[in-house]
Amino acid sequence: SQQGEEDPQALSIQEGENATMNCSYKTSINNLQWYRQNSGRGLVHLILIRSNEREKHSGRLRVTLDTSKKSSSLLITASRAADTASYFCATAPGTYKYIFGTGTRLKVLA
Amino acid sequence: NAGVTQTPKFQVLKTGQSMTLQCAQDMNHNSMYWYRQDPGMGLRLIYYSASEGTTDKGEVPNGYNVSRLNKREFSLRLESAAPSQTSVYFCASTRGDTEAFFGQGTRLTVV
Repeated sequence: SQQGEEDPQALSIQEGENATMNCSYKTSINNLQWYRQNSGRGLVHLILIRSNEREKHSGRLRVTLDTSKKSSSLLITASRAADTASYFCATAPGTYKYIFGTGTRLKVLA
Repeated sequence: NAGVTQTPKFQVLKTGQSMTLQCAQDMNHNSMYWYRQDPGMGLRLIYYSASEGTTDKGEVPNGYNVSRLNKREFSLRLESAAPSQTSVYFCASTRGDTEAFFGQGTRLTVV
């Protein structure tokens, strides 16, 4: 079974709105990462948050981590059409064994 | 800087044929990975190599073998392809407990 599960599976918003997606995982982790995948392409790393961090920002991205609930959220503010993609969280339940969630498909309507 | 390079980009196989997917990285990363992604699904880990000379099974290793030829190269072999192995295959590498860099994928169809 997947280590990470993203929620919702699909999300459709208007340009300029904020998009929030969540990730739940099962085992203890050293860090949690978020990736973006444009259709048919490889994944691109967005942001990494370590287990001793609670919040991290990068540009229009804000990631939170709650290790007590084994969950993380990714917020994209002021979304753009170019943000349309699938977003995945990844964790490493064992050393170097990166496991990805099922992804959230985000569609930003112009 | 090429990053992670996968070959081929596309391949069609007949059931029972064999083939090797190649992956090379030029970032001096220790760890390398093979994933498969089925339509509308996330990535599932097939095999990984934490360092040169070591390989370990991931979530879905059955029907596959791997070789960590050297620090740069990590190949994935299908000995007897089956339609269930139709998928997009991604190779990735990491320096350690940090971000993963992905190749552009190999689209494999088994008929």
